[in-house]
Amino acid sequence: EVQLVESGGSLVQPGGSLRLSCAASGFTFSSYWMRWVRQAPGKGLELVANIKQDGSEKYYVDSVKGRFTISRDNAKNSLFLQMNSLRAEDTAVYYCARDSNWDFAYWGQGTLVTVSS
Amino acid sequence: QSALTQPPSASGSPGQSVTISCTGTSSDVGGYNYVSWYQQHPGKAPKLMIYEVSKRPSGVPDRFSGSKSGNTASLTVSGLQADDEADYYCSSYAGSHNFVFGTGTKVTVL
Repeated sequence: EVQLVESGGSLVQPGGSLRLSCAASGFTFSSYWMRWVRQAPGKGLELVANIKQDGSEKYYVDSVKGRFTISRDNAKNSLFLQMNSLRAEDTAVYYCARDSNWDFAYWGQGTLVTVSS
Repeated sequence: QSALTQPPSASGSPGQSVTISCTGTSSDVGGYNYVSWYQQHPGKAPKLMIYEVSKRPSGVPDRFSGSKSGNTASLTVSGLQADDEADYYCSSYAGSHNFVFGTGTKVTVL
């Protein structure tokens, strides 16, 4: 059974940093693109970042370029999102998701990031 | 990249059908057969219901179907059931490893 478990979300002040983790199990982690998707309170879904199987290609939504870094550790079946210079508008539930057919086939339960003073 | 356009709400009585549209451009919906649909119940993670325009993952009832014409994709839920009441989002590949989501549609079962 595919399982994705996010952690690391918390309350952080504007300008602060946070590192999200996603522990994957039930599939060959190194064989799939992985993604971070966020959902602001009461709002829709937004792709934040993508990373290729071997980490050689990455994509970021314009609003997080230069502030967020996606990475992965295939030996530990883990996905990460380093978030720096956080802003109030980054407040959201952050989901880890796995690709299957150019989609978001599996999702974690999400971790809440709140940026507020 | 702008969000795909979905109607804010849709509704139907139990047993009826409801169709949700998802309008994009030739750079996303119209340009690729990688449209997917997600169901999200309150407080829960999204769940994949349709991928590659019209394919259903294992375990998704055949009451859910997808199609596409030009720059608009559609999700039809037939034989509405109480548990179908949820938010639905479309998504499309938009090139260069970018994906765009729809604005979301709240489906109400009357």
